[in-house]
Amino acid sequence: QKEVEQDPGPLSVPEGAIVSLNCTYSNSAFQYFMWYRQYSRKGPELLMYTYSSGNKEDGRFTAQVDKSSKYISLFIRDSQPSDSATYLCAMSEAGNQGGKLIFGQGTELSVKP
Amino acid sequence: ETGVTQTPRHLVMGMTNKKSLKCEQHLGHNAMYWYKQSAKKPLELMFVYNFKEQTENNSVPSRFSPECPNSSHLFLHLHTLQPEDSALYLCASSDYFSGRAGNEQYFGPGTRLTVT
Repeated sequence: QKEVEQDPGPLSVPEGAIVSLNCTYSNSAFQYFMWYRQYSRKGPELLMYTYSSGNKEDGRFTAQVDKSSKYISLFIRDSQPSDSATYLCAMSEAGNQGGKLIFGQGTELSVKP
Repeated sequence: ETGVTQTPRHLVMGMTNKKSLKCEQHLGHNAMYWYKQSAKKPLELMFVYNFKEQTENNSVPSRFSPECPNSSHLFLHLHTLQPEDSALYLCASSDYFSGRAGNEQYFGPGTRLTVT
């Protein structure tokens, strides 16, 4: 079983739709949960950062963590064509000074005008 | 130059060649990373350097040899690679002392490697 599972898509939605992206994980020691966004021919960039359970909102983006279910989500409201990218979930254990992130496979999202 | 830069952006090499990938970060960070990104697979952490010292080697074959001469530069030396090593190789850096430490990593654009 993979430590982190993520549906690779591709996911295609019309402009203005609400997008839901999800990851499940098996390691109960994960404490930090991140979403990275990767545009074509670019490296990933950190989009959302969450510690432990709960919700975090940043503009059109909301990250949710449910540690009891080992499930995390990223919601994109009023999606735009510029949101078309691959979204990678990433997780780490407490005290991650060493930078060991475990990534999901990434979900490819396409937002059509 | 800003952020994290990587050269070359594309590389085609034969199985018997020796080549090197270069990464440079202009962010004043003190940790650097090499990742392998293959199609349909998660990002795989290969090596971690904190303050020029290697702190993680994720069971990477010896045909990949990293070098970190200082906190701003990272190299990946390649020799006798296999076709299955063809992938996008990403370099990243982070600030060991920031509140987000190794969780907030800044990535370069990657080197697309093809082994023939």
